[in-house]
Amino acid sequence: NAGVTQTPKFQVLKTGQSMTLQCAQDMNHNSMYWYRQDPGMGLRLIYYSASEGTTDKGEVPNGYNVSRLNKREFSLRLESAAPSQTSVYFCASRASPNYGYTFGSGTRLTVV
Amino acid sequence: SQQGEEDPQALSIQEGENATMNCSYKTSINNLQWYRQNSGRGLVHLILIRSNEREKHSGRLRVTLDTSKKSSSLLITASRAADTASYFCATDESGYSTLTFGKGTMLLVSP
Repeated sequence: NAGVTQTPKFQVLKTGQSMTLQCAQDMNHNSMYWYRQDPGMGLRLIYYSASEGTTDKGEVPNGYNVSRLNKREFSLRLESAAPSQTSVYFCASRASPNYGYTFGSGTRLTVV
Repeated sequence: SQQGEEDPQALSIQEGENATMNCSYKTSINNLQWYRQNSGRGLVHLILIRSNEREKHSGRLRVTLDTSKKSSSLLITASRAADTASYFCATDESGYSTLTFGKGTMLLVSP
């Protein structure tokens, strides 16, 4: 009963470096999401994939790209990391609209 | 931008007391959901209430929804120290595929 698995759990990057955050779910969910959580800001949507083969921008997409590799996996890429991208990143999935999300445990990213 | 706004931002109570958190939102919704987040962890789905429902119960949780006032409340009865966490409301807006989260209420339950 793994649910949503995110890797890595922690990462420190230097400004300008790139990295990919991985997310996989084993619940056969159609929709997957990437949020970032910053103190006092709540959760903000970066990108989402309503179904396999589609991706759409959320509230704060600048500086990020995503890939829905297959139904299980949805990755988030930072091409050139900036200190403003220091945050906790959460991946989530759900079967369809009108259902709740299942969240991963998060990736704590620090950009120095 | 945030759709839901929780109130209060922080709440401190004693074990055994009830805790009430409120959420206000701005647009038409299909449903409203409440989540819990323990420190350093991911969010956990607690309860979903649909726009045509007024009240829903799950164990010690009671959620109400007033679509005319665009507001919801989460009541946790007989609180325990283990209920210490942040609680978020999230709205599922009509015509959208995503949830919009509020900034949360931090609940501290002291033994």
